[in-house]
Amino acid sequence: DAGVIQSPRHEVTEMGQEVTLRCKLISGHNSLFWYRQTMMRGLELLIYFNNNVPIDDSGMPEDRFSAKMPNASFSTLKIQPSEPRDSAVYFCASSYLGRDGYTFGSGTRLTVV
Amino acid sequence: SQQGEEDPQALSIQEGENATMNCSYKTSINNLQWYRQNSGRGLVHLILIRSNEREKHSGRLRVTLDTSKKSSSLLITASRAADTASYFCATALNQAGTALIFGKGTTLSVSS
Repeated sequence: DAGVIQSPRHEVTEMGQEVTLRCKLISGHNSLFWYRQTMMRGLELLIYFNNNVPIDDSGMPEDRFSAKMPNASFSTLKIQPSEPRDSAVYFCASSYLGRDGYTFGSGTRLTVV
Repeated sequence: SQQGEEDPQALSIQEGENATMNCSYKTSINNLQWYRQNSGRGLVHLILIRSNEREKHSGRLRVTLDTSKKSSSLLITASRAADTASYFCATALNQAGTALIFGKGTTLSVSS
């Protein structure tokens, strides 16, 4: 298994543009988590899904952020419109019923200028 | 909001020495996990300890959990330069159905 795969690895965009981050889960995992990491705030949970259903999106900063899980193996995180304060590294992670820990992707480093 | 807080924030040691990192948390948990993050990379799961366990070992790693004090420690024995990374504790309120909440991490530097 190739692990959790995120794309793109780096994204530089101008303020106001739409940004879409992608994540492919490990086969067989049924939980999907999106985190954001910054120096100031550390790792923040944005949203998570169990069996493709969003369970808790209270960490999503504002309505500019949305996440979907159209099937059991894929998820997107969209920011529209993007702002400079959205600059961070965005990680997705997956697990099976919370057992044995999470498997993280390599992250997407987003820079909004 | 952070559930876990690691201590110290930064730790510098020589190769061969032991490194101890501590984590305190606020609410009752189902399990506590430790992760490692190398610079510019994703987090890697190291070890999971359940609330009914007090100690767990994995290779050079030893984790303890004291639920009465709401604290955990991670000991890395005989450290190597390759252990240089940030280490995070994360707590799970339930095994399944809730997400991990991470602390801000301890940055470990091991010099040769």
